[in-house]
Amino acid sequence: DAMVIQNPRYQVTQFGKPVTLSCSQTLNHNVMYWYQQKSSQAPKLLFHYYDKDFNNEADTPDNFQSRRPNTSFCFLDIRSPGLGDAAMYLCATSRPQIQGYNEQFFGPGTRLTVL
Amino acid sequence: AQKITQTQPGMFVQEKEAVTLDCTYDTSDPSYGLFWYKQPSSGEMIFLIYQGSYDQQNATEGRYSLNFQKARKSANLVISASQLGDSAMYFCAMIQGARGGKLIFGQGTELSVKP
Repeated sequence: DAMVIQNPRYQVTQFGKPVTLSCSQTLNHNVMYWYQQKSSQAPKLLFHYYDKDFNNEADTPDNFQSRRPNTSFCFLDIRSPGLGDAAMYLCATSRPQIQGYNEQFFGPGTRLTVL
Repeated sequence: AQKITQTQPGMFVQEKEAVTLDCTYDTSDPSYGLFWYKQPSSGEMIFLIYQGSYDQQNATEGRYSLNFQKARKSANLVISASQLGDSAMYFCAMIQGARGGKLIFGQGTELSVKP
């Protein structure tokens, strides 16, 4: 089945130690998103790629970076994780809309713990 | 600014009964899309139903229907014949913008289905 895959599902890191979360998709979608979801909160968009075009949200901290080496893969790098970065990180994909809007397909998420 | 409001933090429903989850939105853009997602305790966001701002008919997908009242800026989700597996967090979201678009989520409603 076509899907969005995130690895690892659970990640534990130490305060200040860089960490990379990965997302891959078999849907061949042009657009890939990274959302941060803190406990009992709604998901919040960090950035997205439209093909190779990177779109950063204005309030996304510089501590968060992303790479998309090809259509299938997208990475989220947290350069110096703080305790406040502990959250669920959700990757999503979508086709660009031709008419109306297309749903975003989400991966299972990576739950990040910062010690 | 765009905003989604879900005023019911938690809801209970008896198995096999119908339940309505409320969602209101605010936008000045005439073109937008409205989505409902289900998030079980495992964390994955599951797409349920979509309504475009120009759609004339209310969207339906199996047991899910969307009561779209454009003048009131509301997009309530109706789940008919509730099942135990419907227990989850439900998010209403709005999308705007070309080239990928950005999902703006409400705060969510936690639905508990009682046997």
